[in-house]
Amino acid sequence: GQNIDQPTEMTATEGAIVQINCTYQTSGFNGLFWYQQHAGEAPTFLSYNVLDGLEEKGRFSSFLSRSKGYSYLLLKELQMKDSASYLCAVGDSNYQLIWGAGTKLIIKP
Amino acid sequence: IAGITQAPTSQILAAGRRMTLRCTQDMRHNAMYWYRQDLGLGLRLIHYSNTAGTTGKGEVPDGYSVSRANTDDFPLTLASAVPSQTSVYFCASSGAADTGELFFGEGSRLTVL
Repeated sequence: GQNIDQPTEMTATEGAIVQINCTYQTSGFNGLFWYQQHAGEAPTFLSYNVLDGLEEKGRFSSFLSRSKGYSYLLLKELQMKDSASYLCAVGDSNYQLIWGAGTKLIIKP
Repeated sequence: IAGITQAPTSQILAAGRRMTLRCTQDMRHNAMYWYRQDLGLGLRLIHYSNTAGTTGKGEVPDGYSVSRANTDDFPLTLASAVPSQTSVYFCASSGAADTGELFFGEGSRLTVL
């Protein structure tokens, strides 16, 4: 079956760095995506990895290892507004996204 | 209109009633999707449409139907609502079916009693 695993909840301190991990098992692979979702709002796109390695975009970076079925999202210089759920999704062989349940990130002052 | 608009934003519905959730986009995107989001679960695809005039079944299509008469509109219908369809429903679109950058509507919170 297809499966995306990520931690349910994480806590970090304002100004610090946090890494959110995602492991996946899917039928086929057409990219790994990270989305941010604030409580009560719609998900918004953060990043896309299709090749192994690190993609950096400002304070956010995303890493992919296809051989390990593993990705992480790295958030630097955490701000209170980063408190949200972070959703990992993988494109399968039919280009449909398979979604993880999301990681709720709590930022403390 | 800018992006994707869903209506209603919230609805309480008696079991057995028919309900249509509306979704309209103004980005001329070919692909559109309906997801449901339940606590503790990932987004689950209900139905999708890769282009106007075509639709397909997702992971959890039972009890739902869709139509795609034109590029902009993608309504989701619950023919006879049941309590297990209580959820938050998100409509989304993308410029092409083989890209994962989805643009989401603000969601429709549906409660079936």
